[in-house]
Amino acid sequence: GDSVTQMEGPVTLSEEAFLTINCTYTATGYPSLFWYVQYPGEGLQLLLKATKADDKGSNKGFEATYRKETTSFHLEKGSVQVSDSAVYFCALSDRYGNNRLAFGKGNQVVVIP
Amino acid sequence: DSGVTQTPKHLITATGQRVTLRCSPRSGDLSVYWYQQSLDQGLQFLIQYYNGEERAKGNILERFSAQQFPDLHSELNLSSLELGDSALYFCASSRDGGANYGYTFGSGTRLTVV
Repeated sequence: GDSVTQMEGPVTLSEEAFLTINCTYTATGYPSLFWYVQYPGEGLQLLLKATKADDKGSNKGFEATYRKETTSFHLEKGSVQVSDSAVYFCALSDRYGNNRLAFGKGNQVVVIP
Repeated sequence: DSGVTQTPKHLITATGQRVTLRCSPRSGDLSVYWYQQSLDQGLQFLIQYYNGEERAKGNILERFSAQQFPDLHSELNLSSLELGDSALYFCASSRDGGANYGYTFGSGTRLTVV
């Protein structure tokens, strides 16, 4: 079935560093792609989305581009802040299949002052 | 406030007991999804309801059950609780299966089984 793979392990970086979290997907159709963020003690919040190939989603300085040729949707931010410390989940929606979101395992991001 | 309301926020109960978690979806959303989040298993999909009917099942134990009522709120029932059931339980809702707008999540219920 459709699935999402995120890079293994937590990410620790210094304030103002560049952040990249890799996400690749497997899908038979043309999914929509999402990044969710979970701050400590809270539920998941939609960070950004892209619904078709070459779309770029952006929000709060984060960006991700839907790359059909490499089946990827990597999350990037040019200069992270301590407040960006959270868990980030990549997800896809197969609108022609079970019409449900499939989530990756998530990446813990820790930003050190 | 995401618009998805979950109660209670925290629940502490003993092994062998039964609890009910409640979720009110965002206004206009017909689909409700339940997820379990634990440190070792990550985010696990449990079950989905659409307009009162069960639509999909994930890794839901037989000791767990759910339903969605005519007013679209949903309840997740957990019985014969074990220590390993301690986790965060999230409810999410959507109006289009998530295809265009994704899901809206509640803030979760933290269940501790002692």
